[in-house]
Amino acid sequence: DGGITQSPKYLFRKEGQNVTLSCEQNLNHDAMYWYRQDPGQGLRLIYYSQIVNDFQKGDIAEGYSVSREKKESFPLTVTSAQKNPTAFYLCASSQTSKGSNEQFFGPGTRLTVL
Amino acid sequence: QKEVEQNSGPLSVPEGAIASLNCTYSDRGSQSFFWYRQYSGKSPELIMFIYSNGDKEDGRFTAQLNKASQYVSLLIRDSQPSDSATYLCAVNRFRNQGGKLIFGQGTELSVKP
Repeated sequence: DGGITQSPKYLFRKEGQNVTLSCEQNLNHDAMYWYRQDPGQGLRLIYYSQIVNDFQKGDIAEGYSVSREKKESFPLTVTSAQKNPTAFYLCASSQTSKGSNEQFFGPGTRLTVL
Repeated sequence: QKEVEQNSGPLSVPEGAIASLNCTYSDRGSQSFFWYRQYSGKSPELIMFIYSNGDKEDGRFTAQLNKASQYVSLLIRDSQPSDSATYLCAVNRFRNQGGKLIFGQGTELSVKP
C-alpha cells in the first residue's frame, strides 16, 4: 500500500519538552511538507523540502526544526521555543517533476501541551 | 488582504442541490489551484486541481477557474449528506517547481437530508 504515515496519532507534551513527530512516505515523492492547523483555520506551512539534505522555512518556522536525511522521511521537532504548540500537525508529499504539485496528506498528529 | 480567501460558512444546502464554493486569490502569478475536502478530525484529501481557465469536471465535481477575475470555484452537483465537510482552496504559484501551497481558511458545507 502506497501512502504517507504519521506517528504518533496523539502526542502530549509537557512545557519545556522537545518532541519529534514522524512522517514517512513510500510514494517515491521528492518533496515533503509540514503544516500546522489550528481549530477553524486553514493550513500554515512550517517547513518544506524538495530534495534530500535540503529544506526551507515556511511561514511559521520559529520553534520548529526538521531534517531530511532520507527521501522517504521528514521528521519534525517541536522545540520548547514554540510557545503555543497545541495544534493538528499534517505532513504532505508531492512529486515535483509532475508539474502540478498535487500534495497528498498523511493522517496527522494531534499535539497537546499539558 | 489574505492571499487566499474563502467564506467560512457554514454553507447549508438541501440534499440533491448544487453546492457552490468560492475562493479568491491575490497573486496574479498563481499557477495551480486545488480543492481539498476535510472531514472533522481528519486530514485533507485532494478532490481536484485546475490550472487552465475554464471548467474541469470529475464526476459530481466541477472546478472553475477565472484568472482574470482571480477566482476559483467548486461546484458539487447532487449534493449528498456525505459531502458535509470543510472544503479547502489552495493555490500554488510555481507550477513546475513544486512550490508551496497557500491555503484558504476553508468553507464548511452542510448538506441536509
